[in-house]
Amino acid sequence: DAEITQSPRHKITETGRQVTLACHQTWNHNNMFWYRQDLGHGLRLIHYSYGVQDTNKGEVSDGYSVSRSNTEDLPLTLESAASSQTSVYFCASSRDRAVADTQYFGPGTRLTVL
Amino acid sequence: AQSVTQLGSHVSVSEGALVLLRCNYSSSVPPYLFWYVQYPNQGLQLLLKYTTGATLVKGINGFEAEFKKSETSFHLTKPSAHMSDAAEYFCAVSGQLSGNTGKLIFGQGTTLQVKP
Repeated sequence: DAEITQSPRHKITETGRQVTLACHQTWNHNNMFWYRQDLGHGLRLIHYSYGVQDTNKGEVSDGYSVSRSNTEDLPLTLESAASSQTSVYFCASSRDRAVADTQYFGPGTRLTVL
Repeated sequence: AQSVTQLGSHVSVSEGALVLLRCNYSSSVPPYLFWYVQYPNQGLQLLLKYTTGATLVKGINGFEAEFKKSETSFHLTKPSAHMSDAAEYFCAVSGQLSGNTGKLIFGQGTTLQVKP
């Protein structure tokens, strides 16, 4: 069965370190998204990609970067982790840019920045 | 301006009672509307979505939602709550509100508690 996986599921790091969160999907979807979930804010979009070599900033992109070198993966990098980036991170994918397309979510990565 | 609003961050019902979770959107052009559910320590799972056509949409696990253009609402209901329905529920929109890009804009979520 097709799926979307994230690793690690839990990560503790220190302020100032670079951290990369992995996202891998086997749906062969063109679109991939990264969200962060914080209490009282719902899910907020960090970055997204419509295909290989395409990346776009979401509403809370400062301090984060992504790259898309193949269809299956969209790693999220925190260049210099800050305590404000402690959150749960979700990756999602959808088939194409159709506005009614369903997004499928991974299980999440809980990141703690000390 | 908030594009999608979920009224009530916490809703508590008794097992067997009606579940009603409220969602309103702010747009003159009807968006595409989604309800997702998140069980503890899991990712989000699609419950149902409205695109076009019939305004009453049936989803998984006995949930349904009705799109009401005049009220700019898409409330989620279930006639009889089960203990297993305890979770966080998110309303989301796409379409013109997100620039017709396929992006989703989420409400802040409603935690459903089901009491025995």
